[in-house]
Amino acid sequence: AQRVTQPEKLLSVFKGAPVELKCNYSYSGSPELFWYVQYSRQRLQLLLRHISRESIKGFTADLNKGETSFHLKKPFAQEEDSAMYYCALGTNFGNEKLTFGTGTRLTIIP
Amino acid sequence: EPEVTQTPSHQVTQMGQEVILRCVPISNHLYFYWYRQILGQKVEFLVSFYNNEISEKSEIFDDQFSVERPDGSNFTLKIRSTKLEDSAMYFCASTWDSNQPQHFGDGTRLSIL
Repeated sequence: AQRVTQPEKLLSVFKGAPVELKCNYSYSGSPELFWYVQYSRQRLQLLLRHISRESIKGFTADLNKGETSFHLKKPFAQEEDSAMYYCALGTNFGNEKLTFGTGTRLTIIP
Repeated sequence: EPEVTQTPSHQVTQMGQEVILRCVPISNHLYFYWYRQILGQKVEFLVSFYNNEISEKSEIFDDQFSVERPDGSNFTLKIRSTKLEDSAMYFCASTWDSNQPQHFGDGTRLSIL
């Protein structure tokens, strides 16, 4: 069975401070990991996927298969980063279905 | 940028009634999904649909649920006889290739009274 764990429901960080949102997964196959973001009153939007190895809006995430983690990081938080962040696991060769974590609400304190 | 659109944004229905949630996926997309999110809980997969048939469904997607693509643009989720526990936010998603990220709609908030 696939499982995604986001241990922090709420995270508050001061503007300019580093941010790390934790995500651990459980899956016996080859995982595909995503971070989705949901800004206030907006839809779920893809932020990052691990295979693209991009940096979007200053965020990066590295897949660590040894630790089964895909933590989201940003060196300097900005106020507009306040949102709900969901880690998601795709299975098989792509993302036939997504298994989501419970989400972390990130609040950036000015 | 093209978007997945869902209607209505909020649906209130009496328990036991049938409800149909509508989605218009992005026009060149071929894979379609429904997810739901009960208040305070995580987003859960319901069903995926490709080539006019269900490709995968979860335990939640029992006989009370059905999906249909009645024409070239709409993708609907029907709940035959709603229960109180069906109250949730329902998200539609689509992608043109199962290896590509899914694009989500704004969701329909379903409230069962």
